[in-house]
Amino acid sequence: GEDVEQSLFLSVREGDSSVINCTYTDSSSTYLYWYKQEPGAGLQLLTYIFSNMDMKQDQRLTVLLNKKDKHLSLRIADTQTGDSAIYFCADSDDKIIFGKGTRLHILP
Amino acid sequence: ETGVTQTPRHLVMGMTNKKSLKCEQHLGHNAMYWYKQSAKKPLELMFVYNFKEQTENNSVPSRFSPECPNSSHLFLHLHTLQPEDSALYLCASSGDRLKSPLHFGNGTRLTVT
Repeated sequence: GEDVEQSLFLSVREGDSSVINCTYTDSSSTYLYWYKQEPGAGLQLLTYIFSNMDMKQDQRLTVLLNKKDKHLSLRIADTQTGDSAIYFCADSDDKIIFGKGTRLHILP
Repeated sequence: ETGVTQTPRHLVMGMTNKKSLKCEQHLGHNAMYWYKQSAKKPLELMFVYNFKEQTENNSVPSRFSPECPNSSHLFLHLHTLQPEDSALYLCASSGDRLKSPLHFGNGTRLTVT
């Protein structure tokens, strides 16, 4: 079946860029999503990209999609302590499949 | 008003209790979902409702009983739960079942004793 894979942990120094990577297996994904989950909260939609796009930028967030390699990344520029959270990648075709999430830890 | 509201935020119940989780969305969406989030496991889709009709039940035990009286409200009725049912239960909604992103509530943290 379809699968979405992410690394489980990422540590980044405050002020640096964070890059969170995701791979997926579904060939007919329509949209790919990034969600953020802070402690004690639900998943917050950060951004999404349509499968016929290569890149989407939204303020400090840049999403890159390599459809050939089925690779999605989320870059957070100038990482702040408030960016500390779990980030979920998800792809959708006839249903939405979530990765297990990447826990982003910010180093002072 | 927040988009998707879940109550209660925390719930502790014994294995013989009956309780209900409530979800309300103010986004005008047509589809509503229940997810279970356990530690160290991927998000598990439990139920999907589209225009008040249940369209998915992912082999969820019958001790979990969903109810969707209208497109804005979703309930999860709980009875005779097991300790392994302790988890964060997330409700979500979307405009279109297939083509629009999910919007989540903050979840109900359930502990079964």
